[in-house]
Amino acid sequence: QSVLTQPPSASGTPGQRVTISCSGSSSNIGSNTVNWYQHLPGTAPKLLIFSNSQRPSGVPDRFSGSKSGTSASLAISGLQSEDEADYYCAAWDDSLNGVVFGGGTKLTVL
Amino acid sequence: EVQLVESGGGLVQPGGSLRLSCAASGFTFSSYWMSWVRQAPGKGLEWVANMKQDGSEKYYVDSVKGRFTISRDNAKNSLYLQMNSLRAEDTAVYYCARDGRYCPNGVCSYYFDYWGQGTLVTVSS
Repeated sequence: QSVLTQPPSASGTPGQRVTISCSGSSSNIGSNTVNWYQHLPGTAPKLLIFSNSQRPSGVPDRFSGSKSGTSASLAISGLQSEDEADYYCAAWDDSLNGVVFGGGTKLTVL
Repeated sequence: EVQLVESGGGLVQPGGSLRLSCAASGFTFSSYWMSWVRQAPGKGLEWVANMKQDGSEKYYVDSVKGRFTISRDNAKNSLYLQMNSLRAEDTAVYYCARDGRYCPNGVCSYYFDYWGQGTLVTVSS
Protein backbone atom coordinates (compact mmCIF):
# COMPACT_ATOMS: atom_id res chain seq x y z
CA GLN A 1 0.00 0.00 0.00
CA SER A 2 1.69 3.17 -1.21
CA VAL A 3 1.50 6.47 0.65
CA LEU A 4 0.66 8.29 -2.59
CA THR A 5 -2.29 6.94 -4.56
CA GLN A 6 -2.23 6.57 -8.33
CA PRO A 7 -4.55 4.67 -10.64
CA PRO A 8 -2.91 1.37 -11.57
CA SER A 9 -3.55 1.85 -15.27
CA ALA A 10 -4.38 4.42 -17.92
CA SER A 11 -4.73 4.26 -21.66
CA GLY A 12 -5.24 6.36 -24.74
CA THR A 13 -4.91 6.33 -28.49
CA PRO A 14 -2.16 8.12 -30.41
CA GLY A 15 -2.70 11.87 -30.41
CA GLN A 16 -5.00 11.84 -27.40
CA ARG A 17 -4.45 13.60 -24.09
CA VAL A 18 -4.28 11.53 -20.91
CA THR A 19 -3.92 12.55 -17.31
CA ILE A 20 -2.60 10.56 -14.37
CA SER A 21 -3.59 11.58 -10.86
CA CYS A 22 -1.61 11.34 -7.64
CA SER A 23 -3.31 11.79 -4.28
CA GLY A 24 -1.53 12.34 -1.00
CA SER A 25 -1.91 14.14 2.29
CA SER A 26 -0.91 17.28 4.15
CA SER A 27 2.42 15.75 5.21
CA ASN A 28 3.61 15.04 1.67
CA ILE A 29 1.98 16.66 -1.37
CA GLY A 30 0.24 19.23 0.80
CA SER A 31 3.53 20.65 2.05
CA ASN A 32 6.16 19.62 -0.49
CA THR A 33 6.68 19.59 -4.21
CA VAL A 34 5.83 16.66 -6.46
CA ASN A 35 8.08 14.95 -8.99
CA TRP A 36 7.15 12.57 -11.76
CA TYR A 37 9.22 9.72 -13.23
CA GLN A 38 8.86 7.59 -16.34
CA HIS A 39 10.08 4.01 -16.13
CA LEU A 40 10.42 1.41 -18.83
CA PRO A 41 11.16 -2.09 -17.51
CA GLY A 42 14.82 -2.93 -17.59
CA THR A 43 15.96 0.67 -17.86
CA ALA A 44 16.84 3.45 -15.46
CA PRO A 45 13.87 5.59 -14.39
CA LYS A 46 13.78 9.02 -15.99
CA LEU A 47 12.86 12.34 -14.38
CA LEU A 48 9.88 13.78 -16.24
CA ILE A 49 8.62 16.65 -14.07
CA PHE A 50 10.17 18.24 -10.97
CA SER A 51 8.92 20.80 -8.49
CA ASN A 52 5.28 20.20 -9.52
CA SER A 53 5.48 21.59 -13.03
CA GLN A 54 9.08 22.06 -14.17
CA ARG A 55 10.37 20.09 -17.13
CA PRO A 56 14.03 19.05 -17.32
CA SER A 57 15.77 19.92 -20.53
CA GLY A 58 15.08 17.32 -23.16
CA VAL A 59 11.62 16.40 -21.93
CA PRO A 60 9.03 17.31 -24.59
CA ASP A 61 6.48 19.98 -23.71
CA ARG A 62 3.79 17.35 -24.32
CA PHE A 63 4.40 16.46 -20.69
CA SER A 64 3.09 18.82 -18.02
CA GLY A 65 2.50 18.66 -14.28
CA SER A 66 0.29 20.48 -11.82
CA LYS A 67 -0.50 20.42 -8.13
CA SER A 68 -3.46 21.56 -6.08
CA GLY A 69 -3.76 21.01 -2.35
CA THR A 70 -2.91 17.39 -1.60
CA SER A 71 -3.20 16.15 -5.18
CA ALA A 72 -1.09 16.36 -8.29
CA SER A 73 -1.48 15.30 -11.88
CA LEU A 74 0.61 14.52 -14.92
CA ALA A 75 -0.80 15.31 -18.34
CA ILE A 76 0.49 13.88 -21.59
CA SER A 77 -0.82 15.44 -24.77
CA GLY A 78 -0.33 14.21 -28.31
CA LEU A 79 0.11 10.67 -27.01
CA GLN A 80 2.77 8.62 -28.81
CA SER A 81 3.51 4.91 -28.78
CA GLU A 82 6.86 5.60 -27.14
CA ASP A 83 5.02 7.03 -24.12
CA GLU A 84 3.96 3.53 -23.13
CA ALA A 85 5.64 3.09 -19.76
CA ASP A 86 5.10 3.14 -16.01
CA TYR A 87 4.69 6.57 -14.41
CA TYR A 88 5.37 7.37 -10.76
CA CYS A 89 4.73 10.43 -8.63
CA ALA A 90 6.91 11.12 -5.59
CA ALA A 91 7.24 13.66 -2.81
CA TRP A 92 9.02 14.15 0.50
CA ASP A 93 6.90 13.21 3.52
CA ASP A 94 7.47 15.35 6.60
CA SER A 95 5.93 12.78 8.97
CA LEU A 96 7.88 9.81 7.65
CA ASN A 97 11.05 11.84 7.04
CA GLY A 98 11.53 10.20 3.69
CA VAL A 99 10.57 10.17 0.03
CA VAL A 100 7.29 8.46 -0.79
CA PHE A 101 6.27 7.16 -4.19
CA GLY A 102 2.91 6.42 -5.71
CA GLY A 103 2.23 2.82 -6.67
CA GLY A 104 2.77 3.63 -10.32
CA THR A 105 0.46 3.90 -13.33
CA LYS A 106 0.95 1.68 -16.33
CA LEU A 107 0.16 3.69 -19.46
CA THR A 108 -0.94 1.77 -22.51
CA VAL A 109 -1.09 3.39 -25.94
CA LEU A 110 -3.84 1.58 -27.83
CA GLU B 1 28.08 13.37 -18.89
CA VAL B 2 26.64 12.27 -15.56
CA GLN B 3 27.07 8.55 -14.95
CA LEU B 4 26.07 6.37 -12.03
CA VAL B 5 27.16 2.74 -12.09
CA GLU B 6 25.99 0.31 -9.42
CA SER B 7 27.70 -2.92 -8.51
CA GLY B 8 27.72 -5.53 -5.76
CA GLY B 9 24.36 -7.18 -6.29
CA GLY B 10 23.89 -10.92 -6.28
CA LEU B 11 22.30 -13.91 -4.60
CA VAL B 12 22.44 -14.02 -0.80
CA GLN B 13 20.77 -16.20 1.80
CA PRO B 14 18.23 -14.79 4.26
CA GLY B 15 20.06 -13.24 7.18
CA GLY B 16 23.11 -12.57 5.06
CA SER B 17 24.86 -9.34 4.11
CA LEU B 18 25.73 -7.52 0.93
CA ARG B 19 27.41 -4.21 0.15
CA LEU B 20 26.32 -2.23 -2.89
CA SER B 21 28.50 0.40 -4.50
CA CYS B 22 27.71 3.25 -6.85
CA ALA B 23 30.50 4.88 -8.84
CA ALA B 24 29.69 8.45 -9.87
CA SER B 25 31.27 10.52 -12.61
CA GLY B 26 30.58 13.58 -14.71
CA PHE B 27 29.65 15.90 -11.84
CA THR B 28 30.97 17.19 -8.51
CA PHE B 29 29.88 14.26 -6.35
CA SER B 30 30.62 16.02 -3.06
CA SER B 31 28.05 18.74 -3.88
CA TYR B 32 24.99 16.51 -3.98
CA TRP B 33 22.75 14.51 -1.72
CA MET B 34 22.59 10.92 -2.98
CA SER B 35 19.92 8.23 -2.67
CA TRP B 36 19.18 4.54 -3.09
CA VAL B 37 15.85 3.51 -4.59
CA ARG B 38 14.68 -0.06 -5.17
CA GLN B 39 12.08 -1.94 -7.15
CA ALA B 40 10.96 -5.38 -6.07
CA PRO B 41 9.80 -7.80 -8.78
CA GLY B 42 6.37 -6.78 -10.03
CA LYS B 43 6.23 -3.84 -7.62
CA GLY B 44 6.69 -0.10 -7.81
CA LEU B 45 9.61 2.13 -6.92
CA GLU B 46 10.51 2.48 -3.25
CA TRP B 47 12.95 4.99 -1.82
CA VAL B 48 15.41 3.28 0.55
CA ALA B 49 17.79 5.90 1.95
CA ASN B 50 19.54 9.17 1.27
CA MET B 51 22.56 11.00 2.54
CA LYS B 52 23.73 14.60 2.72
CA GLN B 53 26.88 15.77 0.97
CA ASP B 54 29.08 15.59 4.07
CA GLY B 55 27.36 12.57 5.61
CA SER B 56 25.94 14.57 8.51
CA GLU B 57 22.34 13.64 7.67
CA LYS B 58 20.98 10.25 6.66
CA TYR B 59 17.41 9.08 6.28
CA TYR B 60 15.99 5.59 5.82
CA VAL B 61 12.65 4.01 5.01
CA ASP B 62 11.28 2.34 8.13
CA SER B 63 11.56 -1.19 6.72
CA VAL B 64 15.37 -1.02 6.54
CA LYS B 65 16.20 1.03 9.64
CA GLY B 66 18.73 -0.78 11.81
CA ARG B 67 19.65 -3.18 8.99
CA PHE B 68 20.92 -0.99 6.14
CA THR B 69 23.57 1.73 6.30
CA ILE B 70 24.16 4.32 3.62
CA SER B 71 27.62 5.84 3.34
CA ARG B 72 29.80 7.69 0.87
CA ASP B 73 33.43 8.41 0.06
CA ASN B 74 33.66 11.79 -1.62
CA ALA B 75 37.33 11.27 -2.42
CA LYS B 76 36.38 8.19 -4.44
CA ASN B 77 33.13 9.64 -5.85
CA SER B 78 31.32 6.63 -4.48
CA LEU B 79 28.10 5.83 -2.65
CA TYR B 80 27.52 2.64 -0.70
CA LEU B 81 24.70 0.66 0.84
CA GLN B 82 25.62 -1.91 3.47
CA MET B 83 22.75 -4.36 3.79
CA ASN B 84 22.64 -6.70 6.79
CA SER B 85 20.06 -9.18 8.07
CA LEU B 86 18.65 -9.45 4.58
CA ARG B 87 15.12 -10.73 4.09
CA ALA B 88 13.28 -12.18 1.11
CA GLU B 89 11.33 -8.93 0.83
CA ASP B 90 14.59 -7.04 0.20
CA THR B 91 14.83 -8.78 -3.18
CA ALA B 92 14.84 -5.98 -5.72
CA VAL B 93 16.75 -4.01 -8.29
CA TYR B 94 18.61 -1.31 -6.37
CA TYR B 95 19.20 2.02 -8.09
CA CYS B 96 21.61 4.74 -7.14
CA ALA B 97 20.23 8.23 -7.80
CA ARG B 98 21.49 11.79 -7.58
CA ASP B 99 19.36 14.24 -5.65
CA GLY B 100 19.03 17.28 -7.88
CA ARG B 101 17.80 20.51 -6.37
CA TYR B 102 15.75 23.47 -7.57
CA CYS B 103 15.90 26.61 -5.46
CA PRO B 104 13.91 29.37 -7.19
CA ASN B 105 13.38 31.60 -4.14
CA GLY B 106 15.88 30.30 -1.64
CA VAL B 107 13.64 27.33 -0.78
CA CYS B 108 14.87 24.14 -2.40
CA SER B 109 12.93 21.21 -3.74
CA TYR B 110 14.66 17.92 -4.41
CA TYR B 111 14.21 15.19 -6.98
CA PHE B 112 16.12 12.27 -8.51
CA ASP B 113 17.59 13.75 -11.67
CA TYR B 114 20.02 10.99 -12.63
CA TRP B 115 19.75 7.26 -12.04
CA GLY B 116 22.02 4.30 -12.53
CA GLN B 117 21.01 1.16 -14.41
CA GLY B 118 20.52 -0.76 -11.18
CA THR B 119 21.92 -3.89 -9.59
CA LEU B 120 19.82 -6.94 -8.72
CA VAL B 121 19.79 -8.28 -5.18
CA THR B 122 18.15 -11.65 -4.65
CA VAL B 123 17.60 -12.94 -1.13
CA SER B 124 16.79 -16.62 -1.22
CA SER B 125 17.86 -19.91 0.24
